[in-house]
Amino acid sequence: AQSVTQLGSHVSVSEGALVLLRCNYSSSVPPYLFWYVQYPNQGLQLLLKYTSAATLVKGINGFEAEFKKSETSFHLTKPSAHMSDAAEYFCAVAFGNEKLTFGTGTRLTIIP
Amino acid sequence: GAGVSQSPRYKVAKRGQDVALRCDPISGHVSLFWYQQALGQGPEFLTYFQNEAQLDKSGLPSDRFFAERPEGSVSTLKIQRTQQEDSAVYLCASSSTSGQAIITNTGELFFGEGSRLTVL
Repeated sequence: AQSVTQLGSHVSVSEGALVLLRCNYSSSVPPYLFWYVQYPNQGLQLLLKYTSAATLVKGINGFEAEFKKSETSFHLTKPSAHMSDAAEYFCAVAFGNEKLTFGTGTRLTIIP
Repeated sequence: GAGVSQSPRYKVAKRGQDVALRCDPISGHVSLFWYQQALGQGPEFLTYFQNEAQLDKSGLPSDRFFAERPEGSVSTLKIQRTQQEDSAVYLCASSSTSGQAIITNTGELFFGEGSRLTVL
């Protein structure tokens, strides 16, 4: 079955520290992969997406993600966390059509 | 408006009541999606419209759920005889592209803030 898994429902990092949010997928066909962010009382916003071009994808707000086929992963990173990064992050995958399958989300807390 | 607008933002219903949730997509967007997000979960696909045509309704959980987009713009998600398990945030999203183009290089989905339904 095709699916996406986010490891860690809650992640806390200190301001200025590395942010690493994990996402793994299961697919028998080449996937399209996405990261979305949801700030409190706001809609989901696209951070970045992988569409089979470059494996290292740069997104908004200094985030980036690397597609690793051998590890079936698409982890999200940011070198230095800001207080404004506190939000819920969702990994999502599409398998050849317009339907997105989302992970269960990771809530990121930034410690001052 | 500039973004996807959903109303009401909050709805409390007694079990057995019918509810209607409205979505105003970004003007001119041909594709419209409904997703359901239960507490602590990621959004789950409900249905997809391309203009007024409902091309995929495979995610609707039961025949109590019905969605329409009669003029290819505003969409309404209707839930009949609501049950407690229907409590969730219902998200609407729209895109200027359709089909697989939504997920390829130039496509993007724009989400509304959601309608939070609580069934007592």
